[in-house]
Amino acid sequence: GQNIDQPTEMTATEGAIVQINCTYQTSGFNGLFWYQQHAGEAPTFLSYNVLDGLEEKGRFSSFLSRSKGYSYLLLKELQMKDSASYLCAVSLLTGGGNKLTFGTGTQLKVEL
Amino acid sequence: ETGVTQTPRHLVMGMTNKKSLKCEQHLGHNAMYWYKQSAKKPLELMFVYNFKEQTENNSVPSRFSPECPNSSHLFLHLHTLQPEDSALYLCASSQDYVSGNYNEQFFGPGTRLTVL
Repeated sequence: GQNIDQPTEMTATEGAIVQINCTYQTSGFNGLFWYQQHAGEAPTFLSYNVLDGLEEKGRFSSFLSRSKGYSYLLLKELQMKDSASYLCAVSLLTGGGNKLTFGTGTQLKVEL
Repeated sequence: ETGVTQTPRHLVMGMTNKKSLKCEQHLGHNAMYWYKQSAKKPLELMFVYNFKEQTENNSVPSRFSPECPNSSHLFLHLHTLQPEDSALYLCASSQDYVSGNYNEQFFGPGTRLTVL
């Protein structure tokens, strides 16, 4: 079966750097997404990795190692508004299409 | 309106009621999805429609009945639900649902459903 693991909760300080890890065991891997979800709101796209390496986009970066089944999301210069749930989702090739399988999400709390 | 919209945002219903959730996307996409999000659980895919055809049913109980009249609209008809069906129901859309294609999904804000 498919298995995606990420920490349930993390706390960090405003202005600091935080790394949220995601490990997965899947078959038919076709890329990994990170989404941000504020309480009561829609998940919004942050990043996508399909090849090994680091993708940087402003304060956010995402890394992928396919051989290790491992990804992380790096948030720099943390702001209070970054307090949210961060969802790791693996895109899986199926007979029909690319199915997204989500982890439980990491609730990040940014403190002063 | 832009993006993906869902109505109603909140719904309280009894176990004998019949209600419907509505989703509309203004992105010109051809694939639409229903997900269930319960506390402490991952987002669970329920249904996928690609070009109005249902392509995925993730073993969802028949008390949930989806309908996709066109590529922009998606409904979830609810009847005789159980209290454990209380959750946030999210709709999403993507360009299409084709194996191997890039599949960024755009989500609506969800309907918070409470079944009494």
